Amino acid sequence: EDQVTQSPEALRLQEGESSSLNCSYTVSGLRGLFWYRQDPGKGPEFLFTLYSAGEEKEKERLKATLTKKESFLHITAPKPEDSATYLCAVQAAGQAGANNLFFGTGTRLTVIP
Amino acid sequence: KAGVTQTPRYLIKTRGQQVTLSCSPISGHRSVSWYQQTPGQGLQFLFEYFSETQRNKGNFPGRFSGRQFSNSRSEMNVSTLELGDSALYLCASSRRGGSDSYEQYFGPGTRLTVT
Repeated sequence: EDQVTQSPEALRLQEGESSSLNCSYTVSGLRGLFWYRQDPGKGPEFLFTLYSAGEEKEKERLKATLTKKESFLHITAPKPEDSATYLCAVQAAGQAGANNLFFGTGTRLTVIP
Repeated sequence: KAGVTQTPRYLIKTRGQQVTLSCSPISGHRSVSWYQQTPGQGLQFLFEYFSETQRNKGNFPGRFSGRQFSNSRSEMNVSTLELGDSALYLCASSRRGGSDSYEQYFGPGTRLTVT
């Protein structure tokens, strides 16, 4: 059964204090791993897609990496505006025609000025 | 380029009633997926429509249904509402064809409260 586990559940950082969020996954054939950011009361905002182990993508202070079992979202020198819930999702290649995402429960990040 | 739009944004209904939610995908996107988000269960997949056909369905009762129109707009219907249906309902669209085509872009959601 597809499974996505995110850790930690919540993370408080001082402004400028770099850290990493973890997403461990079990899926029957990975088509893609997705990172989203979600602010309270809003829909998830797309950040990155990773397709194969060893792949890395960067956007401003965020960098996502992928191995065969997990993905990390590294946040370098975060600012208060980076405060949000970060969601990880996987898409399995096994089910023909399937396009659904299987989400983890997210990491709630708070960056303190 | 306009993003995914959902209407209405907020809805209050009574147990036993039915509700219809609407989603307009990003121009050129032909796939629309629906998700339910609750504090306890997180984001869960409901179903996906592509070219007016349901392609995949999550583990939800038959009270949850949907459809897609020829312009790719989609509607989701929930009949005989229960208190547990209170949630944020999110719609996501994707191109579903070619490289990087499975990236899904979400709308702002419809907040449904059942009393």
